Amino acid sequence: DIQLTQSPSFLSASVGDRVTITCRASQGISSYLAWYQQKPGKAPKLLIYAASTLQSGVPSRFSGSGSGTEFTLTISSLQPEDFATYYCQQLNSYPFGITFGPGTKVDIK
Amino acid sequence: EVQLVESGGGLVQPGGSLRLSCAASGFTFSSYAMSWVRQAPGKGLEWVSAISGSGGSTYYADSVKGRFTISRDNSKNTLYLQMNSLRAEDTAVYYCAKGLSKSGTTPTHYYYYMDVWGKGTTVTVSS
Repeated sequence: DIQLTQSPSFLSASVGDRVTITCRASQGISSYLAWYQQKPGKAPKLLIYAASTLQSGVPSRFSGSGSGTEFTLTISSLQPEDFATYYCQQLNSYPFGITFGPGTKVDIK
Repeated sequence: EVQLVESGGGLVQPGGSLRLSCAASGFTFSSYAMSWVRQAPGKGLEWVSAISGSGGSTYYADSVKGRFTISRDNSKNTLYLQMNSLRAEDTAVYYCAKGLSKSGTTPTHYYYYMDVWGKGTTVTVSS
Protein backbone atom coordinates (compact mmCIF):
# COMPACT_ATOMS: atom_id res chain seq x y z
CA ASP A 1 0.00 0.00 0.00
CA ILE A 2 1.13 3.52 -0.76
CA GLN A 3 1.66 5.69 2.32
CA LEU A 4 1.59 9.46 2.44
CA THR A 5 3.42 11.70 4.88
CA GLN A 6 2.88 15.42 5.31
CA SER A 7 5.18 18.04 6.72
CA PRO A 8 4.87 19.93 8.85
CA SER A 9 2.04 18.39 10.85
CA PHE A 10 1.37 21.77 12.44
CA LEU A 11 2.13 25.23 11.16
CA SER A 12 1.66 28.57 12.87
CA ALA A 13 1.51 31.52 10.47
CA SER A 14 0.28 35.08 10.12
CA VAL A 15 -2.13 36.64 7.65
CA GLY A 16 -0.18 37.52 4.52
CA ASP A 17 2.45 34.80 4.99
CA ARG A 18 3.45 32.45 2.20
CA VAL A 19 2.80 28.90 3.37
CA THR A 20 4.10 25.65 1.88
CA ILE A 21 2.98 22.16 2.85
CA THR A 22 4.77 19.07 1.58
CA CYS A 23 3.28 15.64 0.88
CA ARG A 24 5.54 12.66 0.19
CA ALA A 25 4.43 9.30 -1.20
CA SER A 26 6.12 6.01 -0.33
CA GLN A 27 6.34 5.22 -4.04
CA GLY A 28 5.80 7.09 -7.27
CA ILE A 29 2.21 8.11 -7.97
CA SER A 30 2.73 10.16 -11.12
CA SER A 31 0.47 13.19 -10.65
CA TYR A 32 -2.42 11.32 -9.05
CA LEU A 33 -2.65 13.64 -6.04
CA ALA A 34 -5.26 16.01 -4.63
CA TRP A 35 -5.35 18.52 -1.80
CA TYR A 36 -8.32 19.18 0.48
CA GLN A 37 -9.05 21.83 3.08
CA GLN A 38 -11.13 21.01 6.14
CA LYS A 39 -12.43 23.41 8.77
CA PRO A 40 -13.63 22.18 12.19
CA GLY A 41 -17.02 20.49 12.04
CA LYS A 42 -17.20 20.79 8.26
CA ALA A 43 -16.74 18.44 5.33
CA PRO A 44 -13.50 18.62 3.36
CA LYS A 45 -13.27 20.86 0.29
CA LEU A 46 -11.34 19.97 -2.86
CA LEU A 47 -8.65 22.56 -3.64
CA ILE A 48 -6.27 20.97 -6.16
CA TYR A 49 -6.40 17.78 -8.21
CA ALA A 50 -4.00 16.04 -10.56
CA ALA A 51 -1.24 17.61 -8.46
CA SER A 52 -1.52 21.11 -9.92
CA THR A 53 -5.00 21.78 -11.32
CA LEU A 54 -6.97 24.35 -9.34
CA GLN A 55 -10.54 23.28 -8.65
CA SER A 56 -13.19 25.64 -9.95
CA GLY A 57 -14.02 28.42 -7.51
CA VAL A 58 -10.84 28.03 -5.44
CA PRO A 59 -8.85 31.26 -5.02
CA SER A 60 -5.71 31.56 -7.12
CA ARG A 61 -3.54 32.06 -4.03
CA PHE A 62 -3.66 28.26 -3.75
CA SER A 63 -1.33 26.30 -6.00
CA GLY A 64 0.00 22.76 -6.21
CA SER A 65 3.08 21.26 -7.75
CA GLY A 66 5.10 18.07 -7.91
CA SER A 67 5.02 14.61 -9.38
CA GLY A 68 6.32 11.18 -8.54
CA THR A 69 6.86 11.13 -4.78
CA GLU A 70 7.04 14.75 -3.67
CA PHE A 71 4.26 17.33 -3.86
CA THR A 72 3.65 20.77 -2.42
CA LEU A 73 0.64 22.92 -1.67
CA THR A 74 1.41 26.63 -1.53
CA ILE A 75 -0.76 29.44 -0.24
CA SER A 76 0.82 32.60 -1.60
CA SER A 77 -0.71 35.03 0.91
CA LEU A 78 -2.52 33.46 3.85
CA GLN A 79 -5.99 34.85 4.49
CA PRO A 80 -8.05 34.58 7.71
CA GLU A 81 -10.37 32.03 6.09
CA ASP A 82 -7.42 29.75 5.23
CA PHE A 83 -6.80 28.65 8.81
CA ALA A 84 -7.78 24.99 8.58
CA THR A 85 -6.37 21.48 8.24
CA TYR A 86 -5.03 20.43 4.85
CA TYR A 87 -4.90 16.85 3.59
CA CYS A 88 -3.25 15.36 0.56
CA GLN A 89 -4.84 12.35 -1.11
CA GLN A 90 -3.42 9.88 -3.62
CA LEU A 91 -5.17 7.55 -6.02
CA ASN A 92 -3.62 4.30 -7.15
CA SER A 93 -5.21 2.58 -10.11
CA TYR A 94 -3.72 -0.89 -9.98
CA PRO A 95 -4.58 -2.16 -7.46
CA PHE A 96 -7.16 0.50 -6.77
CA GLY A 97 -6.64 2.42 -3.59
CA ILE A 98 -7.12 5.86 -2.12
CA THR A 99 -5.03 7.17 0.75
CA PHE A 100 -5.14 10.43 2.66
CA GLY A 101 -2.15 11.99 4.30
CA PRO A 102 -2.24 12.60 8.08
CA GLY A 103 -3.03 16.31 7.67
CA THR A 104 -1.36 19.66 8.34
CA LYS A 105 -3.09 22.06 10.67
CA VAL A 106 -2.51 25.72 9.85
CA ASP A 107 -3.08 27.91 12.86
CA ILE A 108 -2.92 31.63 13.60
CA LYS A 109 0.39 32.89 14.98
CA GLU B 1 -27.42 22.84 -6.82
CA VAL B 2 -25.41 19.68 -6.34
CA GLN B 3 -26.24 18.19 -2.95
CA LEU B 4 -25.45 15.04 -0.98
CA VAL B 5 -27.32 14.16 2.20
CA GLU B 6 -26.22 11.23 4.34
CA SER B 7 -28.48 9.38 6.76
CA GLY B 8 -28.63 6.15 8.74
CA GLY B 9 -25.98 6.79 11.35
CA GLY B 10 -26.52 6.04 15.01
CA LEU B 11 -25.43 4.03 18.03
CA VAL B 12 -24.85 0.33 17.47
CA GLN B 13 -23.33 -2.42 19.59
CA PRO B 14 -20.07 -4.13 18.59
CA GLY B 15 -20.83 -6.89 16.09
CA GLY B 16 -23.96 -5.12 14.91
CA SER B 17 -24.96 -3.78 11.51
CA LEU B 18 -25.98 -0.45 10.06
CA ARG B 19 -26.84 0.80 6.57
CA LEU B 20 -25.92 4.31 5.56
CA SER B 21 -27.62 6.12 2.71
CA CYS B 22 -26.55 9.14 0.68
CA ALA B 23 -29.25 10.91 -1.32
CA ALA B 24 -27.88 12.81 -4.30
CA SER B 25 -29.46 15.65 -6.24
CA GLY B 26 -28.52 18.30 -8.77
CA PHE B 27 -26.43 16.12 -11.10
CA THR B 28 -26.70 13.01 -13.27
CA PHE B 29 -25.98 10.54 -10.50
CA SER B 30 -25.32 7.51 -12.70
CA SER B 31 -22.52 9.32 -14.55
CA TYR B 32 -20.29 9.76 -11.52
CA ALA B 33 -18.28 7.52 -9.25
CA MET B 34 -19.01 7.91 -5.56
CA SER B 35 -16.99 7.33 -2.41
CA TRP B 36 -17.39 6.95 1.33
CA VAL B 37 -14.80 8.59 3.58
CA ARG B 38 -14.80 8.50 7.37
CA GLN B 39 -13.24 10.53 10.14
CA ALA B 40 -12.85 9.17 13.66
CA PRO B 41 -13.20 11.71 16.48
CA GLY B 42 -10.19 14.01 16.49
CA LYS B 43 -8.48 12.06 13.70
CA GLY B 44 -7.76 12.46 10.00
CA LEU B 45 -9.65 11.36 6.93
CA GLU B 46 -9.81 7.68 5.97
CA TRP B 47 -11.11 6.48 2.63
CA VAL B 48 -13.55 3.60 3.10
CA SER B 49 -14.98 2.56 -0.26
CA ALA B 50 -15.71 3.69 -3.80
CA ILE B 51 -18.03 2.63 -6.61
CA SER B 52 -18.12 3.38 -10.31
CA GLY B 53 -21.02 5.23 -11.89
CA SER B 54 -22.63 2.07 -13.22
CA GLY B 55 -22.01 0.21 -9.95
CA GLY B 56 -20.06 -2.44 -11.80
CA SER B 57 -16.78 -1.73 -10.01
CA THR B 58 -16.41 -1.50 -6.26
CA TYR B 59 -13.35 -0.87 -4.12
CA TYR B 60 -12.65 -1.11 -0.40
CA ALA B 61 -10.03 -0.16 2.14
CA ASP B 62 -8.37 -3.18 3.74
CA SER B 63 -9.79 -2.12 7.11
CA VAL B 64 -13.38 -2.75 5.97
CA LYS B 65 -12.99 -5.39 3.27
CA GLY B 66 -15.31 -8.32 3.88
CA ARG B 67 -17.41 -6.36 6.40
CA PHE B 68 -18.73 -3.37 4.43
CA THR B 69 -20.55 -3.36 1.10
CA ILE B 70 -20.99 -0.31 -1.11
CA SER B 71 -23.86 -0.16 -3.59
CA ARG B 72 -25.95 2.35 -5.47
CA ASP B 73 -29.44 2.61 -6.88
CA ASN B 74 -29.19 4.91 -9.87
CA SER B 75 -32.98 4.94 -10.28
CA LYS B 76 -33.24 6.46 -6.79
CA ASN B 77 -30.08 8.62 -6.97
CA THR B 78 -28.92 7.00 -3.76
CA LEU B 79 -25.62 5.57 -2.56
CA TYR B 80 -25.45 3.00 0.25
CA LEU B 81 -22.94 1.56 2.65
CA GLN B 82 -23.93 -1.65 4.39
CA MET B 83 -21.76 -2.08 7.48
CA ASN B 84 -21.65 -5.45 9.22
CA SER B 85 -19.57 -6.83 12.10
CA LEU B 86 -19.03 -3.33 13.38
CA ARG B 87 -16.13 -2.61 15.71
CA ALA B 88 -15.35 0.21 18.10
CA GLU B 89 -12.75 1.47 15.64
CA ASP B 90 -15.48 2.03 13.04
CA THR B 91 -16.79 4.90 15.17
CA ALA B 92 -16.58 7.99 12.97
CA VAL B 93 -18.38 10.59 10.93
CA TYR B 94 -19.08 9.03 7.54
CA TYR B 95 -19.10 11.29 4.50
CA CYS B 96 -20.25 10.46 1.01
CA ALA B 97 -18.51 12.26 -1.82
CA LYS B 98 -19.06 12.70 -5.53
CA GLY B 99 -16.38 12.00 -8.09
CA LEU B 100 -14.96 14.95 -9.99
CA SER B 101 -15.41 13.84 -13.60
CA LYS B 102 -18.11 12.10 -15.59
CA SER B 103 -17.27 8.54 -16.47
CA GLY B 104 -15.73 8.26 -19.91
CA THR B 105 -14.66 11.88 -20.24
CA THR B 106 -11.23 12.00 -18.55
CA PRO B 107 -8.47 9.69 -17.33
CA THR B 108 -9.83 7.20 -14.81
CA HIS B 109 -8.21 8.74 -11.74
CA TYR B 110 -10.22 11.93 -12.26
CA TYR B 111 -13.37 9.96 -11.49
CA TYR B 112 -12.31 9.52 -7.87
CA TYR B 113 -11.16 12.95 -6.83
CA MET B 114 -13.97 14.13 -4.54
CA ASP B 115 -15.43 17.48 -5.47
CA VAL B 116 -18.71 17.53 -3.52
CA TRP B 117 -19.20 16.17 -0.02
CA GLY B 118 -22.18 15.67 2.22
CA LYS B 119 -22.31 16.97 5.79
CA GLY B 120 -21.74 13.48 7.19
CA THR B 121 -23.57 11.07 9.45
CA THR B 122 -22.19 9.86 12.79
CA VAL B 123 -21.73 6.18 13.56
CA THR B 124 -20.93 5.18 17.14
CA VAL B 125 -20.06 1.58 17.92
CA SER B 126 -20.25 0.98 21.64
CA SER B 127 -21.83 -1.32 24.18
